[in-house]
Amino acid sequence: KNEVEQSPQNLTAQEGEFITINCSYSVGISALHWLQQHPGGGIVSLFMLSSGKKKHGRLIATINIQEKHSSLHITASHPRDSAVYICAVGPWGDKLIFGTGTRLQVFP
Amino acid sequence: ETGVTQSPTHLIKTRGQQVTLRCSSQSGHNTVSWYQQALGQGPQFIFQYYREEENGRGNFPPRFSGLQFPNYSSELNVNALELDDSALYLCASSLDRLSTDTQYFGPGTRLTVL
Repeated sequence: KNEVEQSPQNLTAQEGEFITINCSYSVGISALHWLQQHPGGGIVSLFMLSSGKKKHGRLIATINIQEKHSSLHITASHPRDSAVYICAVGPWGDKLIFGTGTRLQVFP
Repeated sequence: ETGVTQSPTHLIKTRGQQVTLRCSSQSGHNTVSWYQQALGQGPQFIFQYYREEENGRGNFPPRFSGLQFPNYSSELNVNALELDDSALYLCASSLDRLSTDTQYFGPGTRLTVL
């Protein structure tokens, strides 16, 4: 079993829909990161969470430390949101462990 | 402030050869991490350098080695290339070594081993 599991693996949506991507992990962590990877490979850091909730524009990330679960929400999705979204956790004193990613396609 | 850059963008090698990939971190970032990302998978941690010293290594054999230089550049060297080494190699720089630090990723080098 992977230490970081994401669901769904693939997601298609119509423009304007509300999107939720989930991440579950099995190790104790000091931080959880949400990353966005566009075709071609470049990765951009979206959020770093250690508790609670963060919001940036149309993106919202939440984390429940007790349940070892985080969600990334996209409100009013747009075709430019099409990318792979990756969850990565940082165990205490250790290096990041990445999920396999959720491939999101938003159609006009 | 310039971003993280990597060179080359693409590279084709044959089995048994050696390769050096380069990364230029953001100025002031003392930490660089290298990752291997196979097609359809998440990145896998190779190793991290902090102030020119190795600061942690993932489950990769010794033929994967690295260097970090005082000018915020770094290298990933892979000897005796194998077909399974074909992947996207990413470097990421950060201010410090902590997993709470934001990592700034380069665009990656896509290595193909034939």
